[in-house]
Amino acid sequence: EAQVTQNPRYLITVTGKKLTVTCSQNMNHEYMSWYRQDPGLGLRQIYYSMNVEVTDKGDVPEGYKVSRKEKRNFPLILESPSPNQTSLYFCASSSRTIQPTGELFFGEGSRLTVL
Amino acid sequence: GENVEQHPSTLSVQEGDSAVIKCTYSDSASNYFPWYKQELGKGPQLIIDIRSNVGEKKDQRIAVTLNKTAKHFSLHITETQPEDSAVYFCAAGFSGGGADGLTFGKGTHLIIQP
Repeated sequence: EAQVTQNPRYLITVTGKKLTVTCSQNMNHEYMSWYRQDPGLGLRQIYYSMNVEVTDKGDVPEGYKVSRKEKRNFPLILESPSPNQTSLYFCASSSRTIQPTGELFFGEGSRLTVL
Repeated sequence: GENVEQHPSTLSVQEGDSAVIKCTYSDSASNYFPWYKQELGKGPQLIIDIRSNVGEKKDQRIAVTLNKTAKHFSLHITETQPEDSAVYFCAAGFSGGGADGLTFGKGTHLIIQP
């Protein structure tokens, strides 16, 4: 089954404790992206990757890191989480390469709470 | 950069009635306009999209219209059913090369009243 898998789905952590949210897709997509969803703010892009070893900042990259060492994986790293990073996070992938007009396939989300 | 405004933020309709969600965009270069549906506890899923070379597209009970001159596009759902209850996001993007360019609206919570 074609899918985007995120882990963990739920996480409660404390300020400053490094964490990684993993994302894996099995559709051989070149493009992967991370979004955060907050009430009243919709979906905002954090980082995206057009292909292996190619990453770029989205609209709200502060406090986050990503890496793309393999085509299927795109982990989101919070080096020193803060309470304002409490949010619902989505990973997405697409077969588009240069053009942003392919269907985005989203994971089921990771709800992160930073105390 | 692109700015997408979406209205209303919440929409409640009676089952069987129609629902309309409207979006405006700011960048005249945008030429791709998808709509995503997010059910409770799940990730968004593409339901319909339209490109700037057409003014309307239909898929069963769902239709999208685009007015390039006014820079707005709308989602129309007819004969609403309980399973239509969800959050709907519009987005605008540019197809033509270069960096990623999809900008999402803030979402509309559609509630279907029985």
